[in-house]
Amino acid sequence: AQSVAQPEDQVNVAEGNPLTVKCTYSVSGNPYLFWYVQYPNRGLQFLLKYITGDNLVKGSYGFEAEFNKSQTSFHLKKPSALVSDSALYFCAVRPLGGYALNFGKGTSLLVTP
Amino acid sequence: EAQVTQNPRYLITVTGKKLTVTCSQNMNHEYMSWYRQDPGLGLRQIYYSMNVEVTDKGDVPEGYKVSRKEKRNFPLILESPSPNQTSLYFCASSFWRGSGTDTQYFGPGTRLTVL
Repeated sequence: AQSVAQPEDQVNVAEGNPLTVKCTYSVSGNPYLFWYVQYPNRGLQFLLKYITGDNLVKGSYGFEAEFNKSQTSFHLKKPSALVSDSALYFCAVRPLGGYALNFGKGTSLLVTP
Repeated sequence: EAQVTQNPRYLITVTGKKLTVTCSQNMNHEYMSWYRQDPGLGLRQIYYSMNVEVTDKGDVPEGYKVSRKEKRNFPLILESPSPNQTSLYFCASSFWRGSGTDTQYFGPGTRLTVL
């Protein structure tokens, strides 16, 4: 069975500092990995995905994520956090040919001025 | 504008009163899915549909029904709602090219309270 784990319920970072939101996955075969963001009272918005190729994936709003097969991780990063980045972030995994997209429990990111 | 719409956005109902939450997409997507979001549990898939007249259970299907009579619509039906179905519900859709790489796009959510 495929699953993802987001080990941190909340991440706090000061504006202007780099941020990392962690995600590890467990899946048989090649994983397809996704990051979504949920702003308060809004639906989920797609940020980026890893399918194959370059391990560093660039996405929306200046976010990027690094796929690390040996560590089975797909951490979300941004070089300089903004207060407006404060939101709930979800990592998700889908195996090759799989139908279901399995989500982590989410990490709340708080960026303080 | 390409979008997934859900109605209603908010609903308060009572135990046992049948309800339907509608979902519609205008992107000609084959794949549609329903999720529920609960604090500390993330999103869990209820049902999904690969195409018209093709549906299957997700991780938490008990107490829910779905149908896919048209490509653009995928309603979620609660025949006899119970308080443990109080949750935030999301509909999502995507193309389906067989590999699972397609991005799912989410609706704005429906907040359901069952008293």
